[in-house]
Amino acid sequence: TQLLEQSPQFLSIQEGENLTVYCNSSSVFSSLQWYRQEPGEGPVLLVTVVTGGEVKKLKRLTFQFGDARKDSSLHITAAQPGDTGLYLCAGPSGNDMRFGAGTRLTVKP
Amino acid sequence: GAGVSQSPRYKVAKRGQDVALRCDPISGHVSLFWYQQALGQGPEFLTYFQNEAQLDKSGLPSDRFFAERPEGSVSTLKIQRTQQEDSAVYLCASSLGLAIYEQYFGPGTRLTVT
Repeated sequence: TQLLEQSPQFLSIQEGENLTVYCNSSSVFSSLQWYRQEPGEGPVLLVTVVTGGEVKKLKRLTFQFGDARKDSSLHITAAQPGDTGLYLCAGPSGNDMRFGAGTRLTVKP
Repeated sequence: GAGVSQSPRYKVAKRGQDVALRCDPISGHVSLFWYQQALGQGPEFLTYFQNEAQLDKSGLPSDRFFAERPEGSVSTLKIQRTQQEDSAVYLCASSLGLAIYEQYFGPGTRLTVT
């Protein structure tokens, strides 16, 4: 059983569309991180959210941490082909960083 | 180099062979992590080093897996008597401090066991 459930698993959209992907858990996390991973590369950290209810923006990406610190969302406005990749959420658990299975996003030109 | 490097990038091993995967972390980074990423999944934690000390190896799937970081910099993940289920991408990450935040990942080694 995944500690962090991500949805949807796959998402294919046209350039210019908006989208939201989700990361949910039954556990409370002190923080959650979002990464993007491209084929043949390691994950690259996009953002860390720490406070319940926190919203962070990174250009066209908006990240939100749930009030109860059990869930998070990533919203992309006006998606571009360069946004294509695997989006992973992760949260600390002891010495570990636990990852979700990811949302594989494809943005078609 | 500026980032975490891993070698080899690709490794094909016959079932039963031993393999050694190398990780060169960012210079000065105290913490080093190994993850296993199966196809279509997120990375799963294997083990964690703080300098040369292996503080957590709870994620290693069997006693065929062994990791070391003898001088607190380069690390090697060794898999003995490889099995088909060991096929995966093995990722290494390092971080400057003692916490697990702000990890920088290498490109991974893709291991295929035939």
